[in-house]
Order: sequence, then structure tokens, then C-alpha cells
Amino acid sequence: DAGVTQSPTHLIKTRGQQVTLRCSPKSGHDTVSWYQQALGQGPQFIFQYYEEEERQRGNFPDRFSGHQFPNYSSELNVNALLLGDSALYLCASSFRSVQPQHFGDGTRLSIL
Amino acid sequence: GEDVEQSLFLSVREGDSSVINCTYTDSSSTYLYWYKQEPGAGLQLLTYIFSNMDMKQDQRLTVLLNKKDKHLSLRIADTQTGDSAIYFCAESLPSGGYNKLIFGAGTRLAVHP
Repeated sequence: DAGVTQSPTHLIKTRGQQVTLRCSPKSGHDTVSWYQQALGQGPQFIFQYYEEEERQRGNFPDRFSGHQFPNYSSELNVNALLLGDSALYLCASSFRSVQPQHFGDGTRLSIL
Repeated sequence: GEDVEQSLFLSVREGDSSVINCTYTDSSSTYLYWYKQEPGAGLQLLTYIFSNMDMKQDQRLTVLLNKKDKHLSLRIADTQTGDSAIYFCAESLPSGGYNKLIFGAGTRLAVHP
């Protein structure tokens, strides 16, 4: 039973570029959440998708957007990258929003 | 407000018990979680407790919840070197039928011989 999978594992971009990160939820899960974890900090909630719609959003600018597909997989897009966007981006999935969230290993994004 | 606080560092001897503490501020939390993060990895769900429970035991792990004081603790019995990691406390906050997780900054547990 595959857990949450994320791709790519590492990514290097330069300021101003755009990036797309991908996530496949754990089998049986229908809700995907994205978190940003800066070095030495706890994860910060970006947004949550259920039934292909954004249901909740954290305190992140509109440069951060997402999408959920009919097979429940999800993408996180970040436009106009800033140095401060360098972080580990974690995807979590659950069955409905109230169930425990299971995390993938993350995508480490470095901005030069 | 949404705030979760944890002590940053804990050092224990192998075989002893570890107790990691956490305080939170939002009384509307539905569940409270403990996650473990090893270097270069994502978060592993260790255990969780519903907000109307006082205690939950799962093998070597014991979670205690004091809802009045908004205090959560994780006790690891017979701590091993493989338990060395960062432990995150998180509260699940409901909003419009959906839940998001608010994390603390993490407690780094170091286990020495």
C-alpha cells in the first residue's frame, strides 16, 4: 500500500521563475493539504483541496496556487519565486478533512 | 489565536523515559497529534488523541492531554537511539467543516548511551 508520494525530491530554481510540485495521496484518501517547512521551523499550512476545490487557505500570497485532479492527486504552483520560498514543501493526505493526515517525504526547493 | 509551543531540545539516556511537552492556545482543537521527523525525511504520524480524551497509550508511547491548561505531552518509554529525531506537536483546527494542522517548532530529542 503506497503512502503519500511527492515529486521531484529536490529542485533548484532562480528568483522570478515558476515551479510545480506534485503529490499523489495515500490509497483511499481524497483530501490533500500542502505545507511549507522552512529550515528549523515547523510546517506552515498553505492550503487544502477536497473534491477538486480549494477548501481552506493559510496565510500565503496568491503566488501560491494549487490544483486537485479527479484521481485526487494534486499540484502546488509557485510563481515569481523569491529567495524566501526556499523550503521543504510537504504534501499530506487524509480521508475527508477530519481524519489524521499522512505526510510524504517532501520536495526540497532551493532558490538561487 | 493559533499558536503551539514546544521546548526546543531534550537529551535523555538510552533506556530512560522521555517526556516532550507542548502547549496550545486554541480551545476549538478537535484532535492533537504527535509527528516524528528524521533528517531529510517527511513527517511520520506517531499518535493522536481526540480532544475529549485525557490519555492514550500505544505501545511505548503515552499521550496525556490536559484540556483545561491546554497542555499535551508525549512520553516515550525505554527510549532508544532510533528515537533520536525532531518531534512535532500539532493541533487540528476546524473551519467550515474542514481541518488544518497548526504545528509547533519541534523538539529535538537526542538519545545518548
